[in-house]
Amino acid sequence: QKEVEQNSGPLSVPEGAIASLNCTYSDRVSQSFFWYRQYSGKSPELIMSIYSNGDKEDGRFTAQLNKASQYVSLLIRDSQPSDSATYLCAVKSGNEKLTFGTGTRLTIIP
Amino acid sequence: DAGVTQSPTHLIKTRGQQVTLRCSPKSGHDTVSWYQQALGQGPQFIFQYYEEEERQRGNFPDRFSGHQFPNYSSELNVNALLLGDSALYLCASSFWVAGPQETQYFGPGTRLLVL
Repeated sequence: QKEVEQNSGPLSVPEGAIASLNCTYSDRVSQSFFWYRQYSGKSPELIMSIYSNGDKEDGRFTAQLNKASQYVSLLIRDSQPSDSATYLCAVKSGNEKLTFGTGTRLTIIP
Repeated sequence: DAGVTQSPTHLIKTRGQQVTLRCSPKSGHDTVSWYQQALGQGPQFIFQYYEEEERQRGNFPDRFSGHQFPNYSSELNVNALLLGDSALYLCASSFWVAGPQETQYFGPGTRLLVL
């Protein structure tokens, strides 16, 4: 059974600080890793994708991938109240289906 | 550039009924995947359609069926509804490329309540 594990939270971070979200996965042949943001009552919105070991930066967001440790993380710098949402980690092998974690609920405290 | 659209946005049905949900993919996309998201859970893969055929299927019973049309739009049908089918149903579209870089974009979802 392929699994993606996330801490469900809630994770509370002061405004302006760095939020760190973590995800581990069980399938070693996983090749694609995605972070989606989901506001309450809304659908998931793609934030970042990462395919190679190391860091990938996009604005205030940085995704980090370590395939040897089967670990992917998302850092949000200068956290804003609008970043308060559930963050879903998703993993894929080739053209297979996306497997999601249960999500981490993030709250940015003004 | 229109994104993924789904209809209806909300639906209330009773147990035993049948429901059809619809999805139009993002412009330029040819692949549609359907997911079920229960409250507090991550989306669970139902199936994926490409070239009007079901390519992959998740662990869902045969009560769940689908179709893809020549214009790439898709329908999800659920028969003999159960209370446990109450969930947010998400459609995701993508442009099929061989390998890991296929990226899925989600529509707004259809919230189904079964009474």
